[in-house]
Amino acid sequence: AQSVSQHNHHVILSEAASLELGCNYSYGGTVNLFWYVQYPGQHLQLLLKYFSGDPLVKGIKGFEAEFIKSKFSFNLRKPSVQWSDTAEYFCAVSGGNNRKLIWGLGTSLAVNP
Amino acid sequence: DGGITQSPKYLFRKEGQNVTLSCEQNLNHDAMYWYRQDPGQGLRLIYYSQIVNDFQKGDIAEGYSVSREKKESFPLTVTSAQKNPTAFYLCASSIDPPGHSVEQYFGPGTRLTVT
Repeated sequence: AQSVSQHNHHVILSEAASLELGCNYSYGGTVNLFWYVQYPGQHLQLLLKYFSGDPLVKGIKGFEAEFIKSKFSFNLRKPSVQWSDTAEYFCAVSGGNNRKLIWGLGTSLAVNP
Repeated sequence: DGGITQSPKYLFRKEGQNVTLSCEQNLNHDAMYWYRQDPGQGLRLIYYSQIVNDFQKGDIAEGYSVSREKKESFPLTVTSAQKNPTAFYLCASSIDPPGHSVEQYFGPGTRLTVT
């Protein structure tokens, strides 16, 4: 069965620190990978996605993620976080042409000013 | 302004009552989804619909029902059979091109409290 694992449940950083949130998935075939963000009181919104091509994907607000097929990973990174990045981050995966997304449990990020 | 609307934002019900949550989209998306979000449990799929008059159960469909009579609307009924209905409910939609998986767009959610 497909599954998504986010290793960090709660992360606390100071402003300007670098961020890396881990995401590993289990699925044997072609995958589509997503990172979503939920800012306090706001809609869940797409940060970035990977379908094919360059495994280094750039998203909104300076975020990027790298798909490493051999490690079944799609880690999210940002070189310097801001207080406004405080949010919950979700990794999600779908297999091939499957519309259903499999979601990780989320990582709560708190950035201290 | 295109998007997904969910109403109401907060909903309170007594145990034993059915309650219907509204979800409307004007994005002309074919597919619509209902999720439940609980703290520390991520998003769990309740039902989804890829086309009008058709829908499929997700991972936690027990105690819920849906209808898809119009492309724009996908209401979710939380029945009295749902053992733990208090949660944050999210509706989403996506285009549904054959042979592709695409991102989902989310509404603002409805927080349901059942006492």
